[in-house]
Amino acid sequence: AQSVTQPDIHITVSEGASLELRCNYSYGATPYLFWYVQSPGQGLQLLLKYFSGDTLVQGIKGFEAEFKRSQSSFNLRKPSVHWSDAAEYFCALFTGGGNKLTFGTGTQLKVEL
Amino acid sequence: NAGVTQTPKFRVLKTGQSMTLLCAQDMNHEYMYWYRQDPGMGLRLIHYSVGEGTTAKGEVPDGYNVSRLKKQNFLLGLESAAPSQTSVYFCASSVTAAKNIQYFGAGTRLSVL
Repeated sequence: AQSVTQPDIHITVSEGASLELRCNYSYGATPYLFWYVQSPGQGLQLLLKYFSGDTLVQGIKGFEAEFKRSQSSFNLRKPSVHWSDAAEYFCALFTGGGNKLTFGTGTQLKVEL
Repeated sequence: NAGVTQTPKFRVLKTGQSMTLLCAQDMNHEYMYWYRQDPGMGLRLIHYSVGEGTTAKGEVPDGYNVSRLKKQNFLLGLESAAPSQTSVYFCASSVTAAKNIQYFGAGTRLSVL
């Protein structure tokens, strides 16, 4: 069965520092992968997605992610974090079966000023 | 453009009470979903619908019922609420399942005492 693992439950970075959030997936074929962000008290907003093609995808708010098939990873990165990036980040996988997204357990990002 | 709207935003129930959560989308999406979000568990799919008049079970359907009488609305019902159903509930919609970009509502926080 497909699964998504986000190894880091909490991450703290200083404002202006670079960020990388890890996401590993388990699926036998080419996955569709997503990163969503959830600000406190809000729903989930799509940051970026990977369907096929270029393995480095750009998203909103200056985020990017790189798909690495050999490592079954889809890590999210940002060169310089802003205080407003503090939120919870979810990686998700769509495989077609059951019409559902499989979500990771999320990474809570704290930004220190 | 409102997107996906959930009502109510907050609700407190006593064990055994019933209630209905309403999800409305104005994007003419075919697919709609109900998720629950619990700490450390990410989002789990409760039920989903691939079109008006259709519903299907997701990952954690027990104790919930759904209806999709109109394309724009997807209702989630709890017939006899239990404390284990204390959670944050999210509704989402998408155009189709393929390349499944889902758009989320702001959530309903439910407490069952």
